[in-house]
Amino acid sequence: DAMVIQNPRYQVTQFGKPVTLSCSQTLNHNVMYWYQQKSSQAPKLLFHYYDKDFNNEADTPDNFQSRRPNTSFCFLDIRSPGLGDAAMYLCATSAGVGYEQYFGPGTRLTVT
Amino acid sequence: AQKITQTQPGMFVQEKEAVTLDCTYDTSDQSYGLFWYKQPSSGEMIFLIYQGSYDEQNATEGRYSLNFQKARKSANLVISASQLGDSAMYFCAPLRQGAQKLVFGQGTRLTINP
Repeated sequence: DAMVIQNPRYQVTQFGKPVTLSCSQTLNHNVMYWYQQKSSQAPKLLFHYYDKDFNNEADTPDNFQSRRPNTSFCFLDIRSPGLGDAAMYLCATSAGVGYEQYFGPGTRLTVT
Repeated sequence: AQKITQTQPGMFVQEKEAVTLDCTYDTSDQSYGLFWYKQPSSGEMIFLIYQGSYDEQNATEGRYSLNFQKARKSANLVISASQLGDSAMYFCAPLRQGAQKLVFGQGTRLTINP
């Protein structure tokens, strides 16, 4: 089945230690998104790629970076995680602007 | 910034009853879309249903339907014959024409009681 896969499902990192979260898709969608969701809040968009075109949200901290080496894969790099970065990170894809987004199962990040 | 209001932070419903989850939004656009997503405790966001602002009929997808009232800027989700597996957070998300991102409402936590 076509799907969005996120690895790992649970990630524990230390304060200040760089961490990379992975997302892959078999839907061949043009657009890939990264969201941050803290407890009891709505998902908040960090950035998205339309093909290779990177779009950063204005309020996304510089600590968060992303890479999309090919259509199928997208990575979220957190350069120096702080305690406030502990959250669920959701990856999503869509066929284009205005289409429904399909989400992966998320990676729950814990910062110790 | 676009304002989305889901007025019911939590709802409790008996199994097999119908339930309506409210969503209103603030937009001056004439053309837009409205998405509803379900998020179970596992965390995955599941796309449920979509309504286009120019669609003449209310969207229907299995047990899910939308009560779309464009003039009132509301798109309430109706779940018929609720099931225990419907217990989850529900988010509505309008999408303006040409916009590339969804903005989610604060969500409604629905609990189905046996």
